[in-house]
Amino acid sequence: TAGITQAPTSQILAAGRSMTLRCTQDMRHNAMYWYRQDLGLGLRLIHYSNTAGTTGKGEVPDGYSVSRANTDDFPLTLASAVPSQTSVYFCASSHRQSDYNEQFFGPGTRLTVL
Amino acid sequence: GQNIDQPTEMTATEGAIVQINCTYQTSGFNGLFWYQQHAGEAPTFLSYNVLDGLEEKGRFSSFLSRSKGYSYLLLKELQMKDSASYLCAVSDSNYQLIWGAGTKLIIKP
Repeated sequence: TAGITQAPTSQILAAGRSMTLRCTQDMRHNAMYWYRQDLGLGLRLIHYSNTAGTTGKGEVPDGYSVSRANTDDFPLTLASAVPSQTSVYFCASSHRQSDYNEQFFGPGTRLTVL
Repeated sequence: GQNIDQPTEMTATEGAIVQINCTYQTSGFNGLFWYQQHAGEAPTFLSYNVLDGLEEKGRFSSFLSRSKGYSYLLLKELQMKDSASYLCAVSDSNYQLIWGAGTKLIIKP
């Protein structure tokens, strides 16, 4: 079982360009999340989706958009990248059928915006 | 606001015991998670506490006191492979995880 996959592994992007980070899970989890992780700040939630067809904003949503057309895929789009979006991005998923919300993480995408 | 505090870095000796503390102030509480994250890798689940007391899992134990907003992760018989960051996260009233910045644990021979 692959679990959660993310693509690309790393990317260097020119400021002002757009980019989509891909995330796919095969665990049939209903909830999915996008985080960014910066040194000294811990994981910060960008957007989440509790079920296919719905999305919500997290702590730091500005400059990012998401969609959840089906259970498995949860892409994150940067419409016009800025250097402050340089970070490591993690996608996660969880089986939100109860109060227990253990999250499983993908391997991450390291993004550098120049 | 919501806040999770844990030490930035700790150093311990191989074979010893180390305790990593976490204090929290959140809007609601639906459990506390500990994750391990090796450098350059994704976080992986270690433990979950929702009731007060100690949960033991092999060399790792986690303690929770809800009245004090306090948890600790106890690692026994430390091995070099335990060198990693340890992340404390609280599930809030909306069942979203609020994350601490992590504690980098350095193990010396």
